Amino acid sequence: EPEVTQTPSHQVTQMGQEVILRCVPISNHLYFYWYRQILGQKVEFLVSFYNNEISEKSEIFDDQFSVERPDGSNFTLKIRSTKLEDSAMYFCASSLDRGANEKLFFGSGTQLSVL
Amino acid sequence: GNSVTQMEGPVTLSEEAFLTINCTYTATGYPSLFWYVQYPGEGLQLLLKATKADDKGSNKGFEATYRKETTSFHLEKGSVQVSDSAVYFCALMDSSASKIIFGSGTRLSIRP
Repeated sequence: EPEVTQTPSHQVTQMGQEVILRCVPISNHLYFYWYRQILGQKVEFLVSFYNNEISEKSEIFDDQFSVERPDGSNFTLKIRSTKLEDSAMYFCASSLDRGANEKLFFGSGTQLSVL
Repeated sequence: GNSVTQMEGPVTLSEEAFLTINCTYTATGYPSLFWYVQYPGEGLQLLLKATKADDKGSNKGFEATYRKETTSFHLEKGSVQVSDSAVYFCALMDSSASKIIFGSGTRLSIRP
């Protein structure tokens, strides 16, 4: 089965530094997502992306966050100035279409630790 | 707003035991309901789904029935195996189908 690939699997950074989390969605997919899970809490929606623009974002996705699909294969999440509370597991996902009958494929996540 | 509440873990069972992981939801309209599973070192995978009331989703011996009257979607399996050890997430997609909302996950460990 095709896979969504995320790199790195674990990223450690200092507070205030910029980080870029990378994802390679499945090649023919059109919808892209980022979710995150703070330890012990719910998996939270951050942002969805379609047709080279953000289609929806949550309250968490403030001005410190941005997403980009720079080259038609990668899908990146940038955190401009990390805070301690950004420490979480970040999941990328992609799908061919929208809707309940459309399968969402997730990557295995990037564990971000902000010190 | 829409939300999902699921049974806190961890849950530890012996092989061949019966499993129930409770899940309830709050949503406007008629959401679709899902169970996702995350095996160690892997991404979230769809386990099963139900898109309308009284539907039963099933896969790999797991079942869950969409109960509108109790706003529940409990996950069950009659006889668990060691290979079922994973984290299980209950989730919903609202009628706008714009995103999936997850619960906090339940870690399941099966003893041989």
